[in-house]
Amino acid sequence: NAGVTQTPKFRVLKTGQSMTLLCAQDMNHEYMYWYRQDPGMGLRLIHYSVGEGTTAKGEVPDGYNVSRLKKQNFLLGLESAAPSQTSVYFCASSGDISYEQYFGPGTRLTVT
Amino acid sequence: SQKIEQNSEALNIQEGKTATLTCNYTNYSPAYLQWYRQDPGRGPVFLLLIRENEKEKRKERLKVTFDTTLKQSLFHITASQPADSATYLCALDPSSGGYNKLIFGAGTRLAVHP
Repeated sequence: NAGVTQTPKFRVLKTGQSMTLLCAQDMNHEYMYWYRQDPGMGLRLIHYSVGEGTTAKGEVPDGYNVSRLKKQNFLLGLESAAPSQTSVYFCASSGDISYEQYFGPGTRLTVT
Repeated sequence: SQKIEQNSEALNIQEGKTATLTCNYTNYSPAYLQWYRQDPGRGPVFLLLIRENEKEKRKERLKVTFDTTLKQSLFHITASQPADSATYLCALDPSSGGYNKLIFGAGTRLAVHP
């Protein structure tokens, strides 16, 4: 039981490049979330999903897109990376009954 | 504006003492509040959840209180150990629509010294 995994762990992009971050969970959770964490700030919700095939905007969705084609996977895309997207990205999942969220190990993204 | 505030300054305490961390929020009426632990370079780990109708919740050496009138939660670690050194985050779901969309505080770093 791996819990929540994220790929890749580190990435450096040039401004304007695109990339996709992959999140996978093996707990059969309905809800999945993407957060970003910046120094001195709390985790901020980018997008979330309440089930396979659904996505919704969170607090800071601009510049990101997401997809949840399979229940266990939640993808975060950056179409045209900007230096302001330099951050650590965390994926999380939770069941629809219990409220605790299970987090992945994070992806450290640098945009130059 | 709506926000969650945690003491941004690190809390330094001696091993064996009780650590008390504060979480204040404004303009929310959450049904529950959660506390997480985050170690450097890792994702947050869930510790405790306390509901609005619960005044206090305990788990081993951890205790959380929730005062909906003061809009404040206190997180206590008794008999603290160096292994308790980490950043502690509080979080709440500001919406009544469910889906557990959490708003997080910036966290308080705790350092327990031998």
